[in-house]
Amino acid sequence: EIVLTQSPGTLSLSPGERATLSCRASQSVSSSYLAWYQQKPGQAPRLLIYGASNRATGIPDRFSGSGSGTDFTLTISRLEPEDFAVYYCQQYGGSLLYTFGQGTRLEIK
Amino acid sequence: EVQLVESGGGLVQPGGSLRLSCAASGFTFSSYWMHWARQAPGKGLVWVSRINSDGSTTNYADSVKGRFTISRDNAKNTLYLQMNSLRAEDTAVYYCARAFSGSFDNWGQGTLVTVSS
Repeated sequence: EIVLTQSPGTLSLSPGERATLSCRASQSVSSSYLAWYQQKPGQAPRLLIYGASNRATGIPDRFSGSGSGTDFTLTISRLEPEDFAVYYCQQYGGSLLYTFGQGTRLEIK
Repeated sequence: EVQLVESGGGLVQPGGSLRLSCAASGFTFSSYWMHWARQAPGKGLVWVSRINSDGSTTNYADSVKGRFTISRDNAKNTLYLQMNSLRAEDTAVYYCARAFSGSFDNWGQGTLVTVSS
């Protein structure tokens, strides 16, 4: 079973600042199968990044993903007011097929 | 525009059954693997089940194996989740989602299932 641990649990930043969110896997994950999602209250998740570093359709270029093996990062270069939300990483592979991290809440400071 | 619309949620007693539906439009439904995921109130996302494009292959999370059944009707562009022997811990918003390269690129708005006496 591959467990994804996201840090920090909560990140408090101001609009215009840079956000760095971490996702660490308990064992190596194929970079092809690491994704990031954004979820706002009362809404469904939205795919941001797939294959560790590929932006999904319509995602602004201030969002970027990087990493390999067990350590992955989502970076938001300059925070916009609409970026404050909960972010999840997700992997495909291993015995449980698909697992999500527990989420990072990005809140306005 | 891709649209996924879930329905069928509601209040059910422990041990009861419920069938969720997900109506798909805006893409060639029969070409895609489809998934169900869920989110308990105030909690994170959990993958539940998947089905391949023609319905011949299915997989389940251990927590629902033997109780839930995923199926699809490609003629009706609809995905289903039959949920039996429901437990309190199955209480969640259930989302259908389209598969894309090991991730989920489109999600429905979700339907709430509450298991309580």
